[in-house]
Amino acid sequence: GENVGLHLPTLSVQEGDNSIINCAYSNSASDYFIWYKQESGKGPQFIIDIRSNMDKRQGQRVTVLLNKTVKHLSLQIAATQPGDSAVYFCAEPFSGGGADGLTFGKGTHLIIQP
Amino acid sequence: DAGITQSPRHKVTETGTPVTLRCHQTENHRYMYWYRQDPGHGLRLIHYSYGVKDTDKGEVSDGYSVSRSKTEDFLLTLESATSSQTSVYFCAISEGAPGEKLFFGSGTQLSVL
Repeated sequence: GENVGLHLPTLSVQEGDNSIINCAYSNSASDYFIWYKQESGKGPQFIIDIRSNMDKRQGQRVTVLLNKTVKHLSLQIAATQPGDSAVYFCAEPFSGGGADGLTFGKGTHLIIQP
Repeated sequence: DAGITQSPRHKVTETGTPVTLRCHQTENHRYMYWYRQDPGHGLRLIHYSYGVKDTDKGEVSDGYSVSRSKTEDFLLTLESATSSQTSVYFCAISEGAPGEKLFFGSGTQLSVL
């Protein structure tokens, strides 16, 4: 499968600050990306997705940026809260599409300092 | 939670015993997936299904089989459990196009002693 990886395994930020979580991918043919949040003891939770015909997509307090030139994806979380503490994964479809699910990066652990 | 229920939530078993994990969905989704999650490896796809009786292998399918006799149920079976299969198992369904926007269940923690 494609290599979807991360720049940092752990990110610590102050409550109220903005967080940026990064992800690198290797398959330039990938046309769809997703960010997941996983809290301890729970399953991954869908946050936001983006297609390759977009550079930016915004949700509630979250923004995903896609830079296809350098094959880089980032998740920005505005005004982080204690509930944002979790592991965040980026993911993309196997083989750039099809029914055979997603391939995931290893995850970044976001820690919110009070 | 996209109407996904996994059972059991926790199981401890012995090496060599058969184990079946169940994933039940209430929203008639066609595509279902089984993943395992391990430290250092992240989430890896075991098997997936694209309809009743239609299944295919994922990247880590050795030692696992699946069955889907009804749309709502996707079963994962370890015919003879090994310690390397100790893991957290997640079921997922696809709400968007096939393979996109997966929604996950709460997981099954399996320990093989």
